[in-house]
Amino acid sequence: SQQGEEDPQALSIQEGENATMNCSYKTSINNLQWYRQNSGRGLVHLILIRSNEREKHSGRLRVTLDTSKKSSSLLITASRAADTASYFCATEPSGNTPLVFGKGTRLSVIA
Amino acid sequence: EAQVTQNPRYLITVTGKKLTVTCSQNMNHEYMSWYRQDPGLGLRQIYYSMNVEVTDKGDVPEGYKVSRKEKRNFPLILESPSPNQTSLYFCASKFLSLGTSGGVQETQYFGPGTRLLVL
Repeated sequence: SQQGEEDPQALSIQEGENATMNCSYKTSINNLQWYRQNSGRGLVHLILIRSNEREKHSGRLRVTLDTSKKSSSLLITASRAADTASYFCATEPSGNTPLVFGKGTRLSVIA
Repeated sequence: EAQVTQNPRYLITVTGKKLTVTCSQNMNHEYMSWYRQDPGLGLRQIYYSMNVEVTDKGDVPEGYKVSRKEKRNFPLILESPSPNQTSLYFCASKFLSLGTSGGVQETQYFGPGTRLLVL
């Protein structure tokens, strides 16, 4: 079964609002990564958080990781219409195994 | 033609003399990385970059620096080369796409290699 599961599956917000997406996983990980994918395009890496980190920031992005709950959240602040995309979390399980992606959250930011 | 280019292809230098190996790709890939290949050790990742201004250490980052100011270029910098950095260096870029089963399909493109000798 898939390692990462995003929640919600779809999210629609107004421009300027914050968007929060959650990800849960099942096994031990080396790190967790968030990606964005615009329709018809490849994956774009957003941020990586290691298993020994609890919070990380990158511009308008804030990621948290709770390894005790095996969950992560991605917060996009002051959203823009250009943030409209699908967002995926991906885990790198321990043991140098390949990344495993969740099904994604489809975010729509309405101007 | 899709390609990854590296320069120089061959370099002989002396200990302590700073050098830069350039890497450029024309495929608009977000992900780029540097490897070194040594006899009996295979390819070992030095640094990688998931996107512009995003870089991270690989397995053997000591003695190396990288920068990613623009998507197409990913130079490898040796501030003070030492003889143990004599090696064959490869730059690579790859495209990630999500497969239908949730896994990631990767297509990685390697440059032609740079053979470095540090005296």
